[in-house]
Amino acid sequence: QVQLQQSGAELVKPGSSVKMSCKASGYTFTSYYIYWIKQRPGQGLEWIGRIGPGSGDTNYNEKFKGKATFTVDKSSSTAYMQLSSLTPEDTAVYYCARGPATRGWFAYWGQGTLVTVSS
Amino acid sequence: DIQMTQSPASLSASLEEIVTITCQASQNIGNWLAWYQQKPGKSPQLLIYGTTSLADGVPSRFSGSRSGTQYSLKISRLQVEDIGIYYCQQASSTPWTFGGGTKLELK
Repeated sequence: QVQLQQSGAELVKPGSSVKMSCKASGYTFTSYYIYWIKQRPGQGLEWIGRIGPGSGDTNYNEKFKGKATFTVDKSSSTAYMQLSSLTPEDTAVYYCARGPATRGWFAYWGQGTLVTVSS
Repeated sequence: DIQMTQSPASLSASLEEIVTITCQASQNIGNWLAWYQQKPGKSPQLLIYGTTSLADGVPSRFSGSRSGTQYSLKISRLQVEDIGIYYCQQASSTPWTFGGGTKLELK
């Protein structure tokens, strides 16, 4: 069955960076894009962007350009998102989700990674 | 960016009641609309895609419809397990955007 397993919670200091992972299993990793979605505590969902594991193609929400960087390791079917220059506003749960290369929706989600930015 | 205005923000309903949640798109998105349910501490779960198609394993009491740029999610007979927060999502153009959410509670 399709699974997206995300890395554990992180407590990081303002101004630092964090890199989280999303390990895919149960399907051909390069056949679908990996999307990243932000959810601040008690808030709604924000589309950060996506990466195509096969092509390395990336698309970022303008709001997150310079903040988020997507990479993949095809050998381990793992996608990564690095967030830089962290501020308290980056405190959130970050989800990875599997989605299409074009337009569509998310039938499969990771369990989320909580990032807490605090000194 | 396309704005998705979801209403109501919160809703209290009784068991077996009919519940309707709406999303108004700021521009034409065709049928590129999905609905998700999220329970506390859990990831969102896809309910409806392509405006009207039911995702795998989703009970038939859930349905989706469209009138112009207004989209609706209907729960025909509310059950206890339907309690949670509901989000719409447009996939017509990037960045894909979500509605602000509707918190559904039991009366």
